[in-house]
Amino acid sequence: AQSVTQLDSHVSVSEGTPVLLRCNYSSSYSPSLFWYVQHPNKGLQLLLKYTSAATLVKGINGFEAEFKKSETSFHLTKPSAHMSDAAEYFCVVSGRSGGGADGLTFGKGTHLIIQP
Amino acid sequence: DGGITQSPKYLFRKEGQNVTLSCEQNLNHDAMYWYRQDPGQGLRLIYYSQIVNDFQKGDIAEGYSVSREKKESFPLTVTSAQKNPTAFYLCASSPGEYPNYGYTFGSGTRLTVV
Repeated sequence: AQSVTQLDSHVSVSEGTPVLLRCNYSSSYSPSLFWYVQHPNKGLQLLLKYTSAATLVKGINGFEAEFKKSETSFHLTKPSAHMSDAAEYFCVVSGRSGGGADGLTFGKGTHLIIQP
Repeated sequence: DGGITQSPKYLFRKEGQNVTLSCEQNLNHDAMYWYRQDPGQGLRLIYYSQIVNDFQKGDIAEGYSVSREKKESFPLTVTSAQKNPTAFYLCASSPGEYPNYGYTFGSGTRLTVV
């Protein structure tokens, strides 16, 4: 079976400071991993994905994530937060070892708050 | 621009009524999906379709029905059998059968029972 745990339900940072959103996963196979962002009353937008190529993945809007197999983690980072980054962030694992009927397992989300 | 269009943005349903949520994509994607999102939870899969005229139940299909008569369209009907339909509904698509491509999502429909 596969699972994904977003370690923080809420993260609050000041504008201009670094962002760290934590995600741990478990999977019986080599998974693909994704981060999505959701602004209020909007759909999810793909930020970045890991699919067994480079372990450091760069995404849109200055975000990046590092796949660490030994730690089963896929944390999302950004060097300097912007007010427009305030949103809900979802870590998603996909693979054939389980999850939903389509092979995806969504984390419960981390709400990112940016303080002015 | 290519994308997914969901309509309406807001929908109100009376008790015992069936309602249909529209999802249209012009990305030429083969696979389409319907998810339900409740506050503080991740997304849960309702139905998905990997090809025209074929679809499979997801994890919470009871009280819902779908059709896939055209590649571009994947409407979801919330039937009166769905006892707790108030939620945010998201439609998504992907190029192929397996989810490694990542999904493109629509902007969602917020359904409220009145």
